[in-house]
Amino acid sequence: EAQVTQNPRYLITVTGKKLTVTCSQNMNHEYMSWYRQDPGLGLRQIYYSMNVEVTDKGDVPEGYKVSRKEKRNFPLILESPSPNQTSLYFCASSLGRTSYEQYFGPGTRLTVT
Amino acid sequence: SQQGEEDPQALSIQEGENATMNCSYKTSINNLQWYRQNSGRGLVHLILIRSNEREKHSGRLRVTLDTSKKSSSLLITASRAADTASYFCATDSGSEKLVFGKGTKLTVNP
Repeated sequence: EAQVTQNPRYLITVTGKKLTVTCSQNMNHEYMSWYRQDPGLGLRQIYYSMNVEVTDKGDVPEGYKVSRKEKRNFPLILESPSPNQTSLYFCASSLGRTSYEQYFGPGTRLTVT
Repeated sequence: SQQGEEDPQALSIQEGENATMNCSYKTSINNLQWYRQNSGRGLVHLILIRSNEREKHSGRLRVTLDTSKKSSSLLITASRAADTASYFCATDSGSEKLVFGKGTKLTVNP
């Protein structure tokens, strides 16, 4: 089954404790991205990747890191999480660039206390 | 940078009625996409319409695009309770990023 998986689905952590949210797709997609969704602000892009070893900032990259060492995986790293990073996070992938439909993962609900 | 803005923010209708949502954007686009999100879940792609297209259909969904007015509309005909969800437009302006609006929350009452 074609899908994007994210782990963990729920995470409660404390300020400053490094964490990684994994994202994996099994569709051989080149384009992957991370979004955060907050009430009243909609979906905002954090980082995106056009292909392996190619990543670029989205609209709200501060406090986040990503890597794309393999085509299928695109982890999101919060090296020192803060409460304002409490949010619902989505990973997405597509065949190529933004001219194609995006396939979204189920989401990761992160709470930073 | 918010590109697409959906209108209305919330819409409540009865089952069987049609639902229309609008999306306005500011800069020229290559394509516009509509997505649905059930509460707290991942977004699901509905329709992609390219800048040289004016209308597309998919089942009970009809999307129009007016590039002169920089707007798009999503029509859901004969709505069902299962259509209850938030609907988002997303625009591709050639910047290698899709920019999403804040969404329209649709409630279909049985």
